[in-house]
Amino acid sequence: EPEVTQTPSHQVTQMGQEVILRCVPISNHLYFYWYRQILGQKVEFLVSFYNNEISEKSEIFDDQFSVERPDGSNFTLKIRSTKLEDSAMYFCASSDRDLYNEQFFGPGTRLTVL
Amino acid sequence: AQKVTQAQTEISVVEKEDVTLDCVYETRDTTYYLFWYKQPPSGELVFLIRRNSFDEQNEISGRYSWNFQKSTSSFNFTITASQVVDSAVYFCALTKGGSSNTGKLIFGQGTTLQVKP
Repeated sequence: EPEVTQTPSHQVTQMGQEVILRCVPISNHLYFYWYRQILGQKVEFLVSFYNNEISEKSEIFDDQFSVERPDGSNFTLKIRSTKLEDSAMYFCASSDRDLYNEQFFGPGTRLTVL
Repeated sequence: AQKVTQAQTEISVVEKEDVTLDCVYETRDTTYYLFWYKQPPSGELVFLIRRNSFDEQNEISGRYSWNFQKSTSSFNFTITASQVVDSAVYFCALTKGGSSNTGKLIFGQGTTLQVKP
């Protein structure tokens, strides 16, 4: 069964460093998302991406964040200068041509900022 | 603004008990979609069900059932004869319908269900 994959599973970085979280969505999907979950809290929307551009972003997704689909398979989230409060689990998700269908989530990348 | 509230933070039951997880939502949209996701201890998010605002029929899938009531803005989830493997965090989520939708999911705070043997 097709699945969303994410790498790395765990990333440790120093405050102020740049990180890139990588995702490979399901191949025929058209809509891509990033969410984050601070430990023990709810899942929060960061950004949605369709047709090679951002369709919506949350207040959390400030100028330090960017997304890219550099080729036909990868979908990346970059944090330019990490802060302590960026420590969280980051989930990538994708859905197919029906926007209202289920979103398939990846296993997540745990980001720890020291 | 859209909002999802799961008032039950944690529920603990003994195996074979029935348990209902509550979800109350707020939206001004006439078209919207509701979801339930399960997050087991391993951490991934697993889709359970999707419901659109025009379909108020209850749904049953094995031991799982869902009760959608627009009159009370609720979309509750019942597990019948719970099992230890049902132990997880369960999230209710909402997305708006219509042409302005981007697929953004608004999640509730989650309910941690512990099923004891």
